[in-house]
Formats: sequence, structure tokens, C-alpha cells
Amino acid sequence: DAGVIQSPRHEVTEMGQEVTLRCKPISGHDYLFWYRQTMMRGLELLIYFNNNVPIDDSGMPEDRFSAKMPNASFSTLKIQPSEPRDSAVYFCASSLRTGGQGIEQFFGPGTRLTVL
Amino acid sequence: LAKTTQPISMDSYEGQEVNITCSHNNIATNDYITWYQQFPSQGPRFIIQGYKTKVTNEVASLFIPADRKSSTLSLPRVSLSDTAVYYCLVGDISLANNLFFGTGTRLTVIP
Repeated sequence: DAGVIQSPRHEVTEMGQEVTLRCKPISGHDYLFWYRQTMMRGLELLIYFNNNVPIDDSGMPEDRFSAKMPNASFSTLKIQPSEPRDSAVYFCASSLRTGGQGIEQFFGPGTRLTVL
Repeated sequence: LAKTTQPISMDSYEGQEVNITCSHNNIATNDYITWYQQFPSQGPRFIIQGYKTKVTNEVASLFIPADRKSSTLSLPRVSLSDTAVYYCLVGDISLANNLFFGTGTRLTVIP
């Protein structure tokens, strides 16, 4: 299994531009998470999906952020318009509900976003 | 909200056993305890998970007392490659919005 795949790995853009981050979860997983990591705030959960349905987006910082999961094998996180404070590493993770309620998330390599 | 408290950093010499303790006083009945490891420029990687008592796998052990208000990750005979940030998480996947990674513990293994 290739694991969670994210693209691009690095993105440099200018303030005001639209940014789209992509994620392919592990096949068969029914949960997908988007996180943001910065030095100041650590790892923050932005939104998560269960069976392609957004369950909780309370971590999404502003209306400039949106996420979609059109099918079980693809998700996007979009920032429009982007701002310098959005600069961070964005991680996608997927998980499979087990017989219990334990959580084992598999993280992708991340997308390092720099907004100038 | 089962937030966690961990030491910010720890140092250890190669070959020693390292124990990292996490406090989670408000852990709920359905919550599991999970530990992740993160190297620079990589996503966190699952290490071990437990609900109560002791769990052991090929890389670590997890000790959970009866009251479950804390847990201890034990890394036997650490090597330089174990230098990383270790995160303790408590939560239930059905309430994934309660999953807080916190600041983690930065472990530095010294030769």
C-alpha cells in the first residue's frame, strides 16, 4: 500500500491567490482528517470526514478555508484567498474504524505551504 | 475534553530505557490512549494504543493505571534514531473533534 498521498509536497504562492491541496487516503479507510501544523500552534485538526461526509469542521479557521471529499479516494482542502498567516504544513490522515473505538491515523507526508 | 499534559522535552543516552508520562485527568469512558512519533518534515506515525493495563508491541510498551488518568510510553534501549517528538492523544473516533495532539515531548537521544 502506498499510504496516504498528498500533493503538492511544496507550494509557494502569493497572498490573495487560491490554493488547493490534495489528498488520497488509504484504500478502504472510512475516515479522513485534515490537520495544520505550525510552530506556534502545533498540530490542529481542521476538519474530518466519515464515509465522505464532513462530520466536524469547527477547526476550520475561517470561511476562506473549505474542504471536500467527492469520493472515497480523494479529498481537497482549498484556501481562497490565501494569506501569509496560512503558511504551515498541512497534513492529511486517514483511519479505519476498528471493532473498538481506538484511533490509528495514518498520516501523509504533508504539504508545506508558503504564502508570500 | 480529555486534553493531555506531557513534558516538553527529555534527554536520554543511547541504550537507556525512556519513559514518557502523559496526564489526562478528564479521560472519558470511551476514550482510547494513543501515542504518535513525529520526525522533522514528516507526518506523525502511530506507535501504540491502549485502553487499560499494559500493551506491548515490537517498538514500545504502554502502561495505563487503573484510574486511566495517566499513561506512560516506554521505549526500551533507545537509539539516536528515536530522537523525535512524541504525542499522547486520548479520544474516541466517534468524537474525533476532541483529538488534541498538544505540544508533545521532544526526545533527544544523546550518543
